[in-house]
Amino acid sequence: DIQMTQSPSTLSASVGDRVTITCRASQSINIWLAWYQQKPGKAPKLLIYEASTLESGVPSRFSASGSGTEFSLTISSLQPDDFATYYCQKYSPYSPYTFGQGTKLEI
Amino acid sequence: QVQLQESGPGLVKPSQTLSLTCTVSGGSISERYYWSWIRQPAGKGLEWIGRIYTTGSPDYNPALKSRVTISLDMSKSHFSLKVSPVTAADTAVYYCARDGGFGIDHWGQGTLVTVSS
Repeated sequence: DIQMTQSPSTLSASVGDRVTITCRASQSINIWLAWYQQKPGKAPKLLIYEASTLESGVPSRFSASGSGTEFSLTISSLQPDDFATYYCQKYSPYSPYTFGQGTKLEI
Repeated sequence: QVQLQESGPGLVKPSQTLSLTCTVSGGSISERYYWSWIRQPAGKGLEWIGRIYTTGSPDYNPALKSRVTISLDMSKSHFSLKVSPVTAADTAVYYCARDGGFGIDHWGQGTLVTVSS
């Protein structure tokens, strides 16, 4: 099975900072990667799909890139609402889905 | 706007069967989507359980496949999850969700299931 590894596990930052979260796949997954944001007590929210496509309604300060085995999510200027946990997810239609272990973005 | 709502017992005894239903409203369950289950133990990450396509057979997480069944009832606009037998390790918040094939774009609010005697 393909494993997804996020780094860092925890990221401390301040409002206005630019931050990047990395996700690595143990095998190539082309661009079958999504990014989610989850706040405490809430369901995850889809931010990015196809590795770099912004979901409708997601602020443009979120961007993502990558293909194959290396992916990243960048928030260009952190807002107070962005402090949350972020997950990457492999969603290849031909194999089981897998989530990364999560990155907690804290103040 | 499609909405999903999980329902089912919040407490299940070890070795018994966990059964949850997800009711879909604001959209048709017969549309070409994958209908999925994901769970999250307290303080931990997300675990994909499996999914079922409108016209196809289900796909399961290999780690859970021997204990999980996902089914679809279009006449009732709902899909279901069964996990059997359960242990304390199955205690988690269970989410149902819609997957358009490009990520999971609609989620239920989640329901906590505790496995305890």
